[in-house]
Amino acid sequence: AQKVTQAQTEISVVEKEDVTLDCVYETRDTTYYLFWYKQPPSGELVFLIRRNSFDEQNEISGRYSWNFQKSTSSFNFTITASQVVDSAVYFCALDSDNAGNMLTFGGGTRLMVKP
Amino acid sequence: DTGVSQDPRHKITKRGQNVTFRCDPISEHNRLYWYRQTLGQGPEFLTYFQNEAQLEKSRLLSDRFSAERPKGSFSTLEIQRTEQGDSAMYLCASSSRQYEKLFFGSGTQLSVL
Repeated sequence: AQKVTQAQTEISVVEKEDVTLDCVYETRDTTYYLFWYKQPPSGELVFLIRRNSFDEQNEISGRYSWNFQKSTSSFNFTITASQVVDSAVYFCALDSDNAGNMLTFGGGTRLMVKP
Repeated sequence: DTGVSQDPRHKITKRGQNVTFRCDPISEHNRLYWYRQTLGQGPEFLTYFQNEAQLEKSRLLSDRFSAERPKGSFSTLEIQRTEQGDSAMYLCASSSRQYEKLFFGSGTQLSVL
């Protein structure tokens, strides 16, 4: 069975602070894919990143960076110099060879960035 | 690319009524998914279509739920004899290949009174 845990249900920061959202996953498969999605107040989930299990390189995209560590089954997401527009719910998700085309989402972390 | 569209955006119904939602995926996507999201939770998988074939169904999908994708384009999700526990956001998503990112619609918010 697959499982994704986002232990932080809600985080509040002041604009320009850095913030890290944690994601821990469980799977028995050796081939799997990890995702992050953003859900702003409008409700539509927006794709941020996909990482496969064989690529442990960290990735940076502007103010966003992701740290994938297979040894701890974690795929954490850091926003540098947060902005009010970053306020949203962020979901980590997992797909794998034997998941049957089913993306498993974590419970989400609500990020509030205050001016 | 006009995105994934869902209709209606909101639906209020009385317990026991039937409701139907529609999803129009991105036109070149052959894979279509339905998810359900309740307040404060992540989306939960309901069902998956590849073209017109329904290939996966979650155990969450009781026999009151039925989904179709008759011509491999748009899809409908019907809930019969709605219950208050069916109140949720119903999300549709599409993709072109397995393990590719999903494109989500804005969802249909169902409230069962």
